[in-house]
Amino acid sequence: NAGVTQTPKFQVLKTGQSMTLQCAQDMNHNSMYWYRQDPGMGLRLIYYSASEGTTDKGEVPNGYNVSRLNKREFSLRLESAAPSQTSVYFCASSEQGKETQYFGPGTRLLVL
Amino acid sequence: AQSVTQLDSQVPVFEEAPVELRCNYSSSVSVYLFWYVQYPNQGLQLLLKYLSGSTLVKGINGFEAEFNKSQTSFHLRKPSVHISDTAEYFCAVSHTGTASKLTFGTGTRLQVTL
Repeated sequence: NAGVTQTPKFQVLKTGQSMTLQCAQDMNHNSMYWYRQDPGMGLRLIYYSASEGTTDKGEVPNGYNVSRLNKREFSLRLESAAPSQTSVYFCASSEQGKETQYFGPGTRLLVL
Repeated sequence: AQSVTQLDSQVPVFEEAPVELRCNYSSSVSVYLFWYVQYPNQGLQLLLKYLSGSTLVKGINGFEAEFNKSQTSFHLRKPSVHISDTAEYFCAVSHTGTASKLTFGTGTRLQVTL
């Protein structure tokens, strides 16, 4: 099992460009999450999907959209990137009703 | 709303010395508590978790943590650290009613030197 995979690993964007971060899990988990990690701020929840077909906002959803494509995949889209979105983005998954989340390796995004 | 405080942003320690990383939380309801570790340029890995039962929880790599409800703390300890323990450690909390939504602390950088 690969666990949680994320693509790309690194990305540089110019202000105003758009991009989609991809996440997939092969553990048959119902719930998936997107976090961003910034220095001195820990991880903050952007969006989550409790199950296929549902998505909800987390703590910092502004400037982002998500799509739960199917049970395996959960993508995060930046429609018009801003320098404030420079961060490391982590995807995670968990079994519905279970407490442990499993994290991907992260995507490092730089917005110039 | 729940919150997590990790007062120490960095903890330097010599190899084979003991270490304690502090974590305090606030919540008006019952919680689950977690410690995650992040090695350089990697994702987060679960070290240990408290759900219920014994307040002393043992995790991987020789780490343990004790849940103290009266002090709302969940400090992480290891009696003898190794160079390979150098990493960032995150404390996290979730409500028992919405088990999968985690709130993270700001992290503690453990730097182990010879």
